[in-house]
Amino acid sequence: GAGVSQSPRYKVAKRGQDVALRCDPISGHVSLFWYQQALGQGPEFLTYFQNEAQLDKSGLPSDRFFAERPEGSVSTLKIQRTQQEDSAVYLCASSLAPGGFDSPLHFGNGTRLTVT
Amino acid sequence: SQQGEEDPQALSIQEGENATMNCSYKTSINNLQWYRQNSGRGLVHLILIRSNEREKHSGRLRVTLDTSKKSSSLLITASRAADTASYFCAFFSGGYNKLIFGAGTRLAVHP
Repeated sequence: GAGVSQSPRYKVAKRGQDVALRCDPISGHVSLFWYQQALGQGPEFLTYFQNEAQLDKSGLPSDRFFAERPEGSVSTLKIQRTQQEDSAVYLCASSLAPGGFDSPLHFGNGTRLTVT
Repeated sequence: SQQGEEDPQALSIQEGENATMNCSYKTSINNLQWYRQNSGRGLVHLILIRSNEREKHSGRLRVTLDTSKKSSSLLITASRAADTASYFCAFFSGGYNKLIFGAGTRLAVHP
């Protein structure tokens, strides 16, 4: 596709459920980022992949959060045993260059997760 | 936690006026980027300015960077209602794989 695609667009989960959020980056983009955005705030870094390698996961808030990109293209962000504080918009971005340095990030429209 | 701050948090202007948004940061940077986000959408890259540049233009956008003050500004000239959005500055911190965003400025342009 022409841009970064995320699915689902909206997800409602009961507290304690597991969720999986999908990101299809732009074809050929080496770098992939996940961000969490609370209402009215800027995006907060979660994790970074260079191809299939997860080089930085320092922003993942707890061990309930897990991300993978097994073939260096599609990525999945999984949240286990969801809590209400996990409610946010989860944004995926990709960029052409390794590390995204000096190369703009292209964002998807996000998945809005609501935990009830 | 954010390492960038933007000012003002919200800005309301009339069409045709100029809008100026400021960003301050705490670390040394190699470049600083500005992004725009329409409500309910992802972020769109607007402009990138390198640390050895002081000013950069793109259409109605003008970005300045003062590395001695660790600050940047985004000027939108002759604003339009379609410019209504949130604007974020962003820079790499802690290595070249963690792009940090400010809290953003919410701009409202009234017809």
